[in-house]
Amino acid sequence: KNEVEQSPQNLTAQEGEFITINCSYSVGISALHWLQQHPGGGIVSLFMLSSGKKKHGRLIATINIQEKHSSLHITASHPRDSAVYICPPPDSNYQLIWGAGTKLIIKP
Amino acid sequence: DAGVIQSPRHEVTEMGQEVTLRCKPISGHDYLFWYRQTMMRGLELLIYFNNNVPIDDSGMPEDRFSAKMPNASFSTLKIQPSEPRDSAVYFCASSPGRPGYNSPLHFGNGTRLTVT
Repeated sequence: KNEVEQSPQNLTAQEGEFITINCSYSVGISALHWLQQHPGGGIVSLFMLSSGKKKHGRLIATINIQEKHSSLHITASHPRDSAVYICPPPDSNYQLIWGAGTKLIIKP
Repeated sequence: DAGVIQSPRHEVTEMGQEVTLRCKPISGHDYLFWYRQTMMRGLELLIYFNNNVPIDDSGMPEDRFSAKMPNASFSTLKIQPSEPRDSAVYFCASSPGRPGYNSPLHFGNGTRLTVT
């Protein structure tokens, strides 16, 4: 059974700060999602990555499949980045295992 | 593409009533998922379909819940009879392939269900 550990579970930062959210999982996988959910809002897929690094605007995601670890970075954070960020790894049937995610609050 | 479309956005009903939630997946996506999100339990997978066929419904809470996918462009989640503990946000999502195998998952905006 794959298990996921995200850190930190809660993060409060000031606008403009560089943010890093980490995701570690216990069983080898081929690819990983990063998703974002705003308070009371829908769920948006930010990245799907299987190796290296992907960048979209101020968001950067990296993954090391061998070390079973992925990170999400936010540069020049903004209050609109306040959301829950989730990295659900797949189980043996390629269905996603949902954890609580990281709750990020960016203060102006 | 308009993305995954769910309706209604909000539903308020009385206990005992039948509730039907609807979902139109992204065209060409072979997988469709129904999730339920509550504060207490987080995001739970209820059921998923592959090519319109239900594959795993082990997450469906009880017999009051049923889901169908009569064709590739439409799915329903029905609760009959509804109970207050069913109050939650129900998300539909679709994917071109297995989401844990390098296929991105696309979510609808959700249906917020309140059962009084």
